[in-house]
Amino acid sequence: DGGITQSPKYLFRKEGQNVTLSCEQNLNHDAMYWYRQDPGQGLRLIYYSQIVNDFQKGDIAEGYSVSREKKESFPLTVTSAQKNPTAFYLCASSPGLANTGELFFGEGSRLTVL
Amino acid sequence: AQSVTQLDSQVPVFEEAPVELRCNYSSSVSVYLFWYVQYPNQGLQLLLKYLSGSTLVKGINGFEAEFNKSQTSFHLRKPSVHISDTAEYFCAVRTSNTGKLIFGQGTTLQVKP
Repeated sequence: DGGITQSPKYLFRKEGQNVTLSCEQNLNHDAMYWYRQDPGQGLRLIYYSQIVNDFQKGDIAEGYSVSREKKESFPLTVTSAQKNPTAFYLCASSPGLANTGELFFGEGSRLTVL
Repeated sequence: AQSVTQLDSQVPVFEEAPVELRCNYSSSVSVYLFWYVQYPNQGLQLLLKYLSGSTLVKGINGFEAEFNKSQTSFHLRKPSVHISDTAEYFCAVRTSNTGKLIFGQGTTLQVKP
């Protein structure tokens, strides 16, 4: 079945450690996104990518990094510079940034910093 | 810059009662509007979307929404809710010139028996 796969679903990290969240899609979509979700704050855009080897910062990119080496993959690294990394992270894709259609979301990854 | 405001953080309602979840947006350009639903510890699922044409949009699970340009609103309604509708609902706006999706803060719908 076509869709977006995020892994791991749950992740625990000690302070000072980097962690990478995986996002893979087999929808053949050009655009991919990472959102962070905190209670009462909705979803905030971290990074997005329109095409392979290109990505842009969203509204809260500080402390995060991404890569887009393949069309189907858009991993997110939460670095030790992110001051409050505990959150629910959602990956999404769409046919293209200029497309009028909706985003398709993965099931999310919950990161907890101990 | 565009923004989205969901006016209620929580909406409690009894089963089989009607419900309206309110959403207002601000934008100086044409917009596309969306409602998503999120069940606990899951991703978001599209309920409905407004791109153009008829201002009354019907979606899945019996939900509908009406686009009101003069009031810059896109309220979500359902005539009779079920326990299974208990979830968090997000309104989102996407402008025609940027394509980025901006989300509201979310409204938790709590359906009581």
